[in-house]
Amino acid sequence: GQQLNQSPQSMFIQEGEDVSMNCTSSSIFNTWLWYKQDPGEGPVLLIALYKAGELTSNGRLTAQFGITRKDSFLNISASIPSDVGIYFCAGPITGGGNKLTFGTGTQLKVEL
Amino acid sequence: DSGVTQTPKHLITATGQRVTLRCSPRSGDLSVYWYQQSLDQGLQFLIQYYNGEERAKGNILERFSAQQFPDLHSELNLSSLELGDSALYFCASSDRDRGPGQFFGPGTRLTVL
Repeated sequence: GQQLNQSPQSMFIQEGEDVSMNCTSSSIFNTWLWYKQDPGEGPVLLIALYKAGELTSNGRLTAQFGITRKDSFLNISASIPSDVGIYFCAGPITGGGNKLTFGTGTQLKVEL
Repeated sequence: DSGVTQTPKHLITATGQRVTLRCSPRSGDLSVYWYQQSLDQGLQFLIQYYNGEERAKGNILERFSAQQFPDLHSELNLSSLELGDSALYFCASSDRDRGPGQFFGPGTRLTVL
């Protein structure tokens, strides 16, 4: 199946630091999505990528669609306490419809 | 606020019981998706409806069923509940014409005792 592996599984960083995380798959994806989930809430769409090599920013967040189409990267610059949460990559599953498969998640903790 | 609403927020019930979770999509969205999030399985796609019709199915158990009504709200029915069904259930919606990005509701936390 189309599984997405994220690394690191969790990270503990200091406020102000830059953060990098990635998502890899054994299958090719035509779209990559990055979501953030706060405790007790639903995932919130951060960035959508539609083309290999594409680099897209949303404020302090920048995501890249890997050239091989089997990976994607998310960077957060100058982290702040509200960046705490779980970050998920996701991509559409083949076989009809618009269903998504989600990665294993990267939990971000920010130390003040 | 994503514009997707789900009720109830929390649900506690006993094994063997049946429950219904409700979802109202964002205004104008025709697609509704249901996902299950558990600690050991992560976020798993269950089922998608588009304008009242079933569009795609994931690893949804036979004890679970869903429907989308003419006003586009959706219900997920879970029956013969087992302890392992305890999880967060999310509804998401999208307007397929704008791409595959889906907008999630706040979820329903189901606890089966």
